[in-house]
Amino acid sequence: GDSVTQMEGPVTLSEEAFLTINCTYTATGYPSLFWYVQYPGEGLQLLLKATKADDKGSNKGFEATYRKETTSFHLEKGSVQVSDSAVYFCALSGESNYQLIWGAGTKLIIKP
Amino acid sequence: GAGVSQSPSNKVTEKGKDVELRCDPISGHTALYWYRQSLGQGLEFLIYFQGNSAPDKSGLPSDRFSAERTGGSVSTLTIQRTQQEDSAVYLCASSLVPGLTEAFFGQGTRLTVV
Repeated sequence: GDSVTQMEGPVTLSEEAFLTINCTYTATGYPSLFWYVQYPGEGLQLLLKATKADDKGSNKGFEATYRKETTSFHLEKGSVQVSDSAVYFCALSGESNYQLIWGAGTKLIIKP
Repeated sequence: GAGVSQSPSNKVTEKGKDVELRCDPISGHTALYWYRQSLGQGLEFLIYFQGNSAPDKSGLPSDRFSAERTGGSVSTLTIQRTQQEDSAVYLCASSLVPGLTEAFFGQGTRLTVV
């Protein structure tokens, strides 16, 4: 069945470092891909999405490109801030628009 | 309220007891979803409500799990005769139109069965 694999955390970086959180997927068909973020003490929220191959989703300085050839949707940011500390989830669309298939999440810790 | 509210935020219960988890969605949101996140795993879909009816309850893991929604608003997830494997964070989300990408999530209820 369809699945999502994320790099295990926690990922610890210094402020202003370059961030990559890897996400690869297995899917039949052409799913949409998503990154969600959960900041400490808050609910999950959609960070960005891409609906077809080669699309780039972007938001708050984060980017991810839908790569069909490598079945990947890696999350990147050029210069992280302490406020980016959170848990990041990669997901792909499932059978319905509410049944996303989720990765296990990657905790990101940014040190000043 | 301004966001999706879940209560309690933490619940510790003894194996075999029943528990009720509550979700107050954003006012006016007709779609409501329950998910479960076990340690180190992604979110697992449980049930979807549109209004007061549940067109998809396929994710409920056993007949010990049930959920209802009244007045198109508050929803309660009930777990009967809790087991240790029920320990997880239970998340609720709501949206104005069906679709998770338009949804807002609550902070979750952390359930621990001892």
